[in-house]
Amino acid sequence: AQSVAQPEDQVNVAEGNPLTVKCTYSVSGNPYLFWYVQYPNRGLQFLLKYITGDNLVKGSYGFEAEFNKSQTSFHLKKPSALVSDSALYFCAVREAGGSYIPTFGRGTSLIVHP
Amino acid sequence: EAQVTQNPRYLITVTGKKLTVTCSQNMNHEYMSWYRQDPGLGLRQIYYSMNVEVTDKGDVPEGYKVSRKEKRNFPLILESPSPNQTSLYFCASSPIPPRTGSNSPLHFGNGTRLTVT
Repeated sequence: AQSVAQPEDQVNVAEGNPLTVKCTYSVSGNPYLFWYVQYPNRGLQFLLKYITGDNLVKGSYGFEAEFNKSQTSFHLKKPSALVSDSALYFCAVREAGGSYIPTFGRGTSLIVHP
Repeated sequence: EAQVTQNPRYLITVTGKKLTVTCSQNMNHEYMSWYRQDPGLGLRQIYYSMNVEVTDKGDVPEGYKVSRKEKRNFPLILESPSPNQTSLYFCASSPIPPRTGSNSPLHFGNGTRLTVT
């Protein structure tokens, strides 16, 4: 079975400060990991993914995520937050070679204060 | 433009009155899925389809039906809506192996906010 945990319902950060949104996962084999962002009144948009290779993955809007196999984590990061980054963020996992159906975390609301 | 289109965006109805939420994608994707999003519960999968005429239950299928008669369309049907189906609904699609591998992200529609009174 596969699962994803986003331990924080909400993350608050000041504009210009670095941000981290946490995600941990559990799969039997190797993971495919994804981050999505949801702006108000919109569907989820794909941000970035980890499939294999370099543990640091770069994505849209200046976001990046670091895959840590030993800690089974895939935290989303950005060096300098913008007010416009305020949104709901979802982590998702699929098991490579396993079920095609992705499992989503419950989401983390990121609030960037001016 | 590649997209997933849901209609309507907003719907208010009464208990027991059958309704259909449409979903269409123009990317020739095999996989399509319906989710509902509720505060504190995140995204929960209702039904999914791996291809035409192939559908399967997700985590919360009770009270819903789907059909996949054409590759591009995947309507969600509520035969007798109840207030506990008040929610925000999303349709999503993606290609599946072997054409592109299992690492393709999902493409989401903009959502349908349903209120059942």
